[in-house]
Amino acid sequence: AQTVTQSQPEMSVQEAETVTLSCTYDTSENNYYLFWYKQPPSRQMILVIRQEAYKQQNATENRFSVNFQKAAKSFSLKISDSQLGDTAMYFCAFMSNTGNQFYFGTGTSLTVIP
Amino acid sequence: DAGVTQSPTHLIKTRGQQVTLRCSPKSGHDTVSWYQQALGQGPQFIFQYYEEEERQRGNFPDRFSGHQFPNYSSELNVNALLLGDSALYLCASSFTGTGITNTIYFGEGSWLTVV
Repeated sequence: AQTVTQSQPEMSVQEAETVTLSCTYDTSENNYYLFWYKQPPSRQMILVIRQEAYKQQNATENRFSVNFQKAAKSFSLKISDSQLGDTAMYFCAFMSNTGNQFYFGTGTSLTVIP
Repeated sequence: DAGVTQSPTHLIKTRGQQVTLRCSPKSGHDTVSWYQQALGQGPQFIFQYYEEEERQRGNFPDRFSGHQFPNYSSELNVNALLLGDSALYLCASSFTGTGITNTIYFGEGSWLTVV
């Protein structure tokens, strides 16, 4: 069974600063995908960034980047130049290469302080 | 192009009652998954429907059932409601032909409160 752990229930960051959200996971599979989703108060899950496990290069999407450590089963999200609109719940998620279901962590509530 | 739409947005039911939640997938999508998100938790996978059949199921009791229609829309039914069924129910749609996965879209969910 796959498990995803987010050990930071809440975090805050000053506007324009950088913050890193942590995620670890456990799986016996070799091919899989990792995701970070943002859930604002509207409750709609929005994809932030995705990483394929077979790729060594860390994924980046504008201000968002990940540090993927496959051997350590670690997948952290770095948000640079934090903006007020980044305030939301952030969920780390795992999906096997069969692609049928997400396994989500319990989330990190991020607050960007003006 | 409408994204994933879910209805109703909010509803309140009494213990023991039955509820039906509805989901219309994004245009062009043929696969629908349902998730339950309890307060303060991450979403938990309930089941996935493809070609009008349940393709995969998570660890949920048989009180949770679903259906997919020929137009790919889907319903989630929960019988004999318990207080613990109170949660946000999220629908996610995708197109199986493209494989994984940045093509998965979520709806805004249906808030179910059981009293």
